Amino acid sequence: GQNIDQPTEMTATEGAIVQINCTYQTSGFNGLFWYQQHAGEAPTFLSYNVLDGLEEKGRFSSFLSRSKGYSYLLLKELQMKDSASYLCAVRDSNYQLIWGAGTKLIIKP
Amino acid sequence: TAGITQAPTSQILAAGRSMTLRCTQDMRHNAMYWYRQDLGLGLRLIHYSNTAGTTGKGEVPDGYSVSRANTDDFPLTLASAVPSQTSVYFCASSQDGLYGYTFGSGTRLTVV
Repeated sequence: GQNIDQPTEMTATEGAIVQINCTYQTSGFNGLFWYQQHAGEAPTFLSYNVLDGLEEKGRFSSFLSRSKGYSYLLLKELQMKDSASYLCAVRDSNYQLIWGAGTKLIIKP
Repeated sequence: TAGITQAPTSQILAAGRSMTLRCTQDMRHNAMYWYRQDLGLGLRLIHYSNTAGTTGKGEVPDGYSVSRANTDDFPLTLASAVPSQTSVYFCASSQDGLYGYTFGSGTRLTVV
C-alpha cells in the first residue's frame, strides 16, 4: 500500500529552526509537495520537489532524496504565525496526490 | 479575488437527508478534486475530475457522487447522509494536475 509518514506534533521556540521530516512509500513518484494549514483554514502551497536536493524559498526550504523516500521541510527564524499543520503529499504514478496526516507545529515564545 | 468558492461554510444535516456541497472555480483549471479531512487521517480523495465531462473515484467514494458539467463547477452530493460522513470537505483544483493544488475554504459538515 501507499504510505506517507510524518511526526504528529512538534514544538519549537520563536526565532529557532525546526525540521519536519516526511518519509514515503508510494506507487511511483512524480513530485512531493509541502502545504501549510492553519487551524480551521484551507491548505496553502509551500513547496514542490521533483529532483533530489534542496529548494529554498525565503525562510522555508524543502529537501528531497528519492532513493531514500525522504523529504524534510526546514523552517528558519520561526515566528508565532508559523504555528500550523504542515502536510506532506506525494504524487504517485497515476498523478494522484497521496497525503500524510500532517505535523502540527507549536511555536512557543 | 480568483480562486475556489465553496458553499455552505458549515451545515448540520439529519441522517438520511441528501445534500449538495457546491464548488466553483474561476481559474479555468482543468482538474478538480473533492477531499475529506478527518483528525489524524489527513486528506482523503473522494472523487476527482481531470476535465469537464469526466469524473473518477478516489480513495473513499462510497456514499458520494459528483458531476462536472462545465469547467467551473464541481458539486458533491451525499444521497443519504450517515454520521460517518461528518467531516470537513475541501474542494481543490489544479491545472492538468501537474502543479500545486488550490483549495477552497472548506465545508464543515455534521451529520446527526
